Amino acid sequence: SQKIEQNSEALNIQEGKTATLTCNYTNYSPAYLQWYRQDPGRGPVFLLLIRENEKEKRKERLKVTFDTTLKQSLFHITASQPADSATYLCALDMKDGNNRLAFGKGNQVVVIP
Amino acid sequence: GAVVSQHPSRVICKSGTSVKIECRSLDFQATTMFWYRQFPKQSLMLMATSNEGSKATYEQGVEKDKFLINHASLTLSTLTVTSAHPEDSSFYICSAGRSGNQPQHFGDGTRLSIL
Repeated sequence: SQKIEQNSEALNIQEGKTATLTCNYTNYSPAYLQWYRQDPGRGPVFLLLIRENEKEKRKERLKVTFDTTLKQSLFHITASQPADSATYLCALDMKDGNNRLAFGKGNQVVVIP
Repeated sequence: GAVVSQHPSRVICKSGTSVKIECRSLDFQATTMFWYRQFPKQSLMLMATSNEGSKATYEQGVEKDKFLINHASLTLSTLTVTSAHPEDSSFYICSAGRSGNQPQHFGDGTRLSIL
């Protein structure tokens, strides 16, 4: 069966350190993978998109890697700040030409001042 | 950035009531919009793909007669939860994308509570 797995345990990290989140998937062959941020009671906000032929993407303090052999994406927040505290979702396209996305459950990050 | 507006943000109503949720793309035309449902600490579950001018495509297990979707214009899709029951209580979120292989832009969700 198809699965998208993100760590269910919250990541508590000291301010200034790098937070690293993992997204593993099974029985998908996505053309691209996206990361979103979701705050409590709000809709997700797009952060980064990485395509299957890209190894790494950066945006300000964020970095995403995509390994289609391992079927894994890593999401890094460098120099983390308390304002980075949120839940981070990975999403895969279902590769059906309709832009449908399948989401992981998300991984909560808590940045401690 | 692209803005998607969702209304209302919260609904509390009695069992048996039908509830309509609106999703508008404010600064671009969206031929396709998506409707998701999210239970606490769970992932967003895609319910249906809303196509402008045609019938919505529902995911497996989602009752199309229960969750009516209308996408009458390029900027507006509506989801009506018909004869809602307590088990329909959830967080409903819409999204819109400009085209394929592009990010989706999400509304802020509607918290539906059925008493």
